[in-house]
Amino acid sequence: EDQVTQSPEALRLQEGESSSLNCSYTVSGLRGLFWYRQDPGKGPEFLFTLYSAGEEKEKERLKATLTKKESFLHITAPKPEDSATYLCAVQAIRGGTSYGKLTFGQGTILTVHP
Amino acid sequence: EAGVTQFPSHSVIEKGQTVTLRCDPISGHDNLYWYRRVMGKEIKFLLHFVKESKQDESGMPNNRFLAERTGGTYSTLKVQPAELEDSGVYFCASSQGVFQGWGTEAFFGQGTRLTVV
Repeated sequence: EDQVTQSPEALRLQEGESSSLNCSYTVSGLRGLFWYRQDPGKGPEFLFTLYSAGEEKEKERLKATLTKKESFLHITAPKPEDSATYLCAVQAIRGGTSYGKLTFGQGTILTVHP
Repeated sequence: EAGVTQFPSHSVIEKGQTVTLRCDPISGHDNLYWYRRVMGKEIKFLLHFVKESKQDESGMPNNRFLAERTGGTYSTLKVQPAELEDSGVYFCASSQGVFQGWGTEAFFGQGTRLTVV
């Protein structure tokens, strides 16, 4: 069974204080690892997809990296508007067949104080 | 371009009643997914449509849940009869479709918050 574990559960930062969020995963075959941002009362908003170990993607103050066992979401010089829940999810391949469903972690609640 | 739209945004029903949730995916997206988040838990997969066909319904909790997708466009998720443990936020997502039902990133709706009392 696919599993995704995110840490920490909650993270409080001062504006400008860089940090990283962790996503550890167990999957029979990885089709893709996805990062989403979720604001209160809204649905998850897509950020990145990573497909293979060593891959990195960046968007503004966010940078996502991937190894064979985990992914990191690095936040550089965060601002209060970066406050949100960050979700990690995996999409699997089994027996040569890709499955579209995502398996999510519980998320990391990020709060950035001015 | 319109995003994924879900109706209603909130629903409060009594145990034993029926509720129908609706999802309008992004136009042209073949893949449509239903997910659910119950209090304190992670978002969990319910089922996946490719056009009008059910590709994967392994996440459906029991036969009180019935999902349909009319003509490969909008989808409904009916819960009948509703139980207390069905409370949660139900999300719909859609993505462009390719072979075997997987595709690019999924775009989510804002969710329907269902409360069963």
